[in-house]
Amino acid sequence: SAVISQKPSRDICQRGTSLTIQCQVDSQVTMMFWYRQQPGQSLTLIATANQGSEATYESGFVIDKFPISRPNLTFSTLTVSNMSPEDSSIYLCSVDAGKVNEQFFGPGTRLTVL
Amino acid sequence: AQSVAQPEDQVNVAEGNPLTVKCTYSVSGNPYLFWYVQYPNRGLQFLLKYITGDNLVKGSYGFEAEFNKSQTSFHLKKPSALVSDSALYFCAVRDMTDSWGKLQFGAGTQVVVTP
Repeated sequence: SAVISQKPSRDICQRGTSLTIQCQVDSQVTMMFWYRQQPGQSLTLIATANQGSEATYESGFVIDKFPISRPNLTFSTLTVSNMSPEDSSIYLCSVDAGKVNEQFFGPGTRLTVL
Repeated sequence: AQSVAQPEDQVNVAEGNPLTVKCTYSVSGNPYLFWYVQYPNRGLQFLLKYITGDNLVKGSYGFEAEFNKSQTSFHLKKPSALVSDSALYFCAVRDMTDSWGKLQFGAGTQVVVTP
């Protein structure tokens, strides 16, 4: 398994500002993922981040809105840019680990945009 | 493309009774199936997985799941539910013929266990 931490755990932000969420893993991993979980909803994959390459975004998500960095094999950041109330969600980081690439999740960042 | 269906938004069960959370899937290739649980204000915790082999998979906290290929189902079960099992449960599938092996989640099922 992998132990994943995220910062901040929660934040309340004003419309139009940006927030950067950090994800730290206790071991080196190839693939890291960022998900969004809107209130009362399931998880939606935002993008996949591999070290040394540009993140790959899912349909409906763009780099200008959700820029991602992956500077090394244990760390990634997701920025939520020019926030609106519709961005209020839990943002989760996950990694592939284990024998058959099961994913492990961080505790999430609960974002509220006013 | 793969998909997962969890037909029940909520399951209510009395403590001590058997618990079943339903999941059906659709993939073009071989499915890798997972169950996760989410407690309030917590991230997702991995419960169990099916890759190959025995159709009955045992996982954490006394949970098990049965893979049924003909019915394309992967229902989660626990023989005797606890109040502490009250949480949101997600079924997920990966199609390993996809180069990504991207994880597709179901909508989630809220389990409420009453004393």
